[in-house]
Amino acid sequence: DAGVIQSPRHEVTEMGQEVTLRCKPISGHDYLFWYRQTMMRGLELLIYFNNNVPIDDSGMPEDRFSAKMPNASFSTLKIQPSEPRDSAVYFCASSPGTTDTQYFGPGTRLTVL
Amino acid sequence: QKEVEQNSGPLSVPEGAIASLNCTYSDRGSQSFFWYRQYSGKSPELIMFIYSNGDKEDGRFTAQLNKASQYVSLLIRDSQPSDSATYLCAVTTNQAGTALIFGKGTTLSVSS
Repeated sequence: DAGVIQSPRHEVTEMGQEVTLRCKPISGHDYLFWYRQTMMRGLELLIYFNNNVPIDDSGMPEDRFSAKMPNASFSTLKIQPSEPRDSAVYFCASSPGTTDTQYFGPGTRLTVL
Repeated sequence: QKEVEQNSGPLSVPEGAIASLNCTYSDRGSQSFFWYRQYSGKSPELIMFIYSNGDKEDGRFTAQLNKASQYVSLLIRDSQPSDSATYLCAVTTNQAGTALIFGKGTTLSVSS
């Protein structure tokens, strides 16, 4: 298996622009997680899905952030409009079930100027 | 606010020594505990998980859990320079055990 795939790997954009991050989970995994990692706040859970349904989005920082999972093999995290404080590494992870290991993708490094 | 606390380090040990990494958590209801390793510029990868009080060994790694003290630790025996990384403690936060809270990590440096 190719593992969790994320794109793009790096994104540089200007404040106010829309940013879309993409994730393809490992086939057969029922859970998908979006995290954000910064030096100040560490690794934070933003939202997670079970069988394509959002279960907990309490970590989404603001209404500027939205996430979708239209099918079992694809998810997006969108920031509109982006701000410099959104600069971070965004990880997507998937797992086959509850209390199972979460497998992380390589991350997207987002820089908002 | 559920929290997971770790010393940020850096923790420096010589090659061959035992490295001891510690973690405390605030939610007494937490059921599952994980240690992830993250090399600089890379994504986290699971090293060990532990669910029950006591010790769990896997090769050079031993995880220790004390639920009464809300304390989890990771021991790395015979530390190698390749063990130099940031170690993240993670704890489940909900009944379903699906959501994790991560500590900010401890940076370990093993010198040869």
